[in-house]
Amino acid sequence: EAGVAQSPRYKIIEKRQSVAFWCNPISGHATLYWYQQILGQGPKLLIQFQNNGVVDDSQLPKDRFSAERLKGVDSTLKIQPAKLEDSAVYLCASSPGALAGGPADTQYFGPGTRLTVL
Amino acid sequence: AQSVAQPEDQVNVAEGNPLTVKCTYSVSGNPYLFWYVQYPNRGLQFLLKYITGDNLVKGSYGFEAEFNKSQTSFHLKKPSALVSDSALYFCAVTTSNAGNNRKLIWGLGTSLAVNP
Repeated sequence: EAGVAQSPRYKIIEKRQSVAFWCNPISGHATLYWYQQILGQGPKLLIQFQNNGVVDDSQLPKDRFSAERLKGVDSTLKIQPAKLEDSAVYLCASSPGALAGGPADTQYFGPGTRLTVL
Repeated sequence: AQSVAQPEDQVNVAEGNPLTVKCTYSVSGNPYLFWYVQYPNRGLQFLLKYITGDNLVKGSYGFEAEFNKSQTSFHLKKPSALVSDSALYFCAVTTSNAGNNRKLIWGLGTSLAVNP
């Protein structure tokens, strides 16, 4: 079974530039998550999708971050414009999520995208 | 506030010795508890979880964890550590929100170093 795919693996940009990350979840997984992991911290949930609908985006800085999951499969996360404090690893995860991201579900993570904002 | 604590930033253990990585939580009700491991430059990998039933949960790579409700702990253990176990370990716990509105809250991680 193929895992969660993410690209790019690394990205370096200047502040105020835009950047986009892509995620392809495990086939058949209904729930998709985007996390931000700053060095030395645990993952912070940015947004959770159930199929192509948003379940939780309470911690997404909506003035600069946006995410979409068209057709309930792949997802993109965009930052526009980037700030220095956005430097982090962005993790995508998926879970079977039969019911609104069932809380007992195991989440399966991709390798992450390491973003450096200069 | 609901929280998860991993009281040790780093744990050092000699290869072959037993290891314990600690996790305590402050969540009311009956949370679900998870352990994940993160190797350098890689994403998080699921190790094990407690949902209900037997308090001792067995997981991947020989790891196990014991759920202790009275002490609100979920410590990760392995009888004999390997150098390849060296990694960052995260404990995560669901909040006590109703039904499927539970959220997963994460500890800050514990760096495990197994010395040959």
